[in-house]
Amino acid sequence: SQTIHQWPATLVQPVGSPLSLECTVEGTSNPNLYWYRQAAGRGLQLLFYSVGIGQISSEVPQNLSASRPQDRQFILSSKKLLLSDSGFYLCAWSRQYSNQPQHFGDGTRLSIL
Amino acid sequence: KQEVTQIPAALSVPEGENLVLNCSFTDSAIYNLQWFRQDPGKGLTSLLLIQSSQREQTSGRLNASLDKSSGRSTLYIAASQPGDSATYLCAVHPFPAGAGSYQLTFGKGTKLSVIP
Repeated sequence: SQTIHQWPATLVQPVGSPLSLECTVEGTSNPNLYWYRQAAGRGLQLLFYSVGIGQISSEVPQNLSASRPQDRQFILSSKKLLLSDSGFYLCAWSRQYSNQPQHFGDGTRLSIL
Repeated sequence: KQEVTQIPAALSVPEGENLVLNCSFTDSAIYNLQWFRQDPGKGLTSLLLIQSSQREQTSGRLNASLDKSSGRSTLYIAASQPGDSATYLCAVHPFPAGAGSYQLTFGKGTKLSVIP
């Protein structure tokens, strides 16, 4: 069966510090991968998606970047965090065909001080 | 631009009651609709996915329906239990599906509390 792992589960960072969140998927090959942010009182917002190694698409302009160095690894990064980057970050995967459901990890709670 | 609305934002019911959660969307050109459950501080668990050509999907005590022409979906939970307490989210996938159309549009969810 397929599993998705995200870490860390919680993170407290000062403004201006760098960020690296990691997501890995097991039990499948060549998945589509996604990063979402869930802010308090708002719905989930898609930040990035990837259909293959090195292929990243961004849905919204922002302070964050994403990379996919390996088939089943997806990384969310920032060089300098802003207060507005606080939120709950969720990684998800789906099979290649777009009529397949998306499956989510347990998320990372990011607090910026 | 697709908008997804879930009403009510919160719902409290006694244990054993059957209940319906509502989801509406503004653009009927969808490829599929997915219902999720989110426990506090946790990620999303996929419950049901309905393709645009389907009318309903069932899994255990859950039944999801889709009326694409009216832009509505419902999630029916039979014989509710305290363990069903969570936030339920619906999300729609745009059509046509293909390169670049991977963005699910989510509602803000309905927070369900089942009282023992």
